[in-house]
Amino acid sequence: SYELTQPPSVSVSPGQTARITCSGDALPKQYAYWYQQKPGQAPVLVIYKDSERPSGIPERFSGSSSGTTVTLTISGVQAEDEADYYCQSADSSGKVFGGGTKLTVL
Amino acid sequence: EVQLVESGGGLVKPGGSLRLSCAASGFTFSSYSMNWVRQAPGKGLEWVSSISSSSSYIYYADSVKGRFTISRDNAKNSLYLQMNSLRAEDTAVYYCARDLASSGYAGNGMDVWGQGTTVTVSS
Repeated sequence: SYELTQPPSVSVSPGQTARITCSGDALPKQYAYWYQQKPGQAPVLVIYKDSERPSGIPERFSGSSSGTTVTLTISGVQAEDEADYYCQSADSSGKVFGGGTKLTVL
Repeated sequence: EVQLVESGGGLVKPGGSLRLSCAASGFTFSSYSMNWVRQAPGKGLEWVSSISSSSSYIYYADSVKGRFTISRDNAKNSLYLQMNSLRAEDTAVYYCARDLASSGYAGNGMDVWGQGTTVTVSS
């Protein structure tokens, strides 16, 4: 079955830039979506269609795509950005999630 | 306010059945595809099933195919998940989520999520 691969963890200091990658063979042909999930809360969509930002999501969140890898970039990381982040795309029969990346703000 | 509220979770024995419901409000429910996504304790997100706005297109993850049935009632603004032959590995928080589109394409993202309902399968 199709898999999306994310690093298990990323750590950054406040004010720095965090980059979380997601790799998958079908990503050149399928859009990617990114979700933020804080403990005990439902996921929140932060990026859609590779690089679009929903209303209400801070401008420091951005997305990009290159070949089989998509990247979520958080510029000027704040303590409140500490969370799990999941990428999501599609295969022939439905949605697929990456394994998730825990972002730690040092 | 756009809102999704799940209900119906609980403790069930292996082999048992449960029906989850999701009540939608604040948007035109019949214009959107809908989804169920689950999260096992301490694990990541797993897509379970999707249904298009008119129920014409339905998709299931391989892990639940043949055991779970998704349905919707647009007149009642409600989404359902009938879960049969439940297994311990089905233990999870189940989220209802609105698709970004109404189409039959199953690969879109999800922009509105409920708070989830917990299903525990244990003897």
